[in-house]
Amino acid sequence: NAGVTQTPKFQVLKTGQSMTLQCAQDMNHEYMSWYRQDPGMGLRLIHYSVGAGITDQGEVPNGYNVSRSTTEDFPLRLLSAAPSQTSVYFCASSYGQLSTDTQYFGPGTRLTVL
Amino acid sequence: KQEVTQIPAALSVPEGENLVLNCSFTDSAIYNLQWFRQDPGKGLTSLLLIQSSQREQTSGRLNASLDKSSGRSTLYIAASQPGDSATYLCAVSRNDMRFGAGTRLTVKP
Repeated sequence: NAGVTQTPKFQVLKTGQSMTLQCAQDMNHEYMSWYRQDPGMGLRLIHYSVGAGITDQGEVPNGYNVSRSTTEDFPLRLLSAAPSQTSVYFCASSYGQLSTDTQYFGPGTRLTVL
Repeated sequence: KQEVTQIPAALSVPEGENLVLNCSFTDSAIYNLQWFRQDPGKGLTSLLLIQSSQREQTSGRLNASLDKSSGRSTLYIAASQPGDSATYLCAVSRNDMRFGAGTRLTVKP
């Protein structure tokens, strides 16, 4: 198993540009989520999905969109990048619901918005 | 709103020392608490998961305790090694997962 994979590893954007961060898992996990990690702060939940076709907002959803057309993939879209979105983004998955199962994290995408 | 705090923010110890990392949370209505390890430039690796009905979990040299009523958890690392150097994060789960900012541990040879 490759586990949770994320692409790209690094990205530089200009303000106003859009892009999609890719996340995939090959463990047949139902639950997937996106976090951002900023210096001196813990990870904050952006969006999550409890299964294909179902998504919901987390703590900091503004400026981001998600969709879940398959169990394996959970892309995160930045609609119009802003410098405040400079961060490290992590995708995570778990077999069951968040409340009971161990979370598996991808290696992260480091995004800089100029 | 759930707030998770980890103290200290950084800790440096000599190799072989036993140490304790602290995590506190403001809302005791949680389903579980997890401890993660994060190496520089890497993702998070789950170390231990404690369900709300449990008091502790052990894995090798690691022991995590949970006192839900007081909103506290500790991660005990026995006989620390340089390879234990990393940032350790705790996270509590109910409707979502809330993380502390982490403790950066350095174990000196």
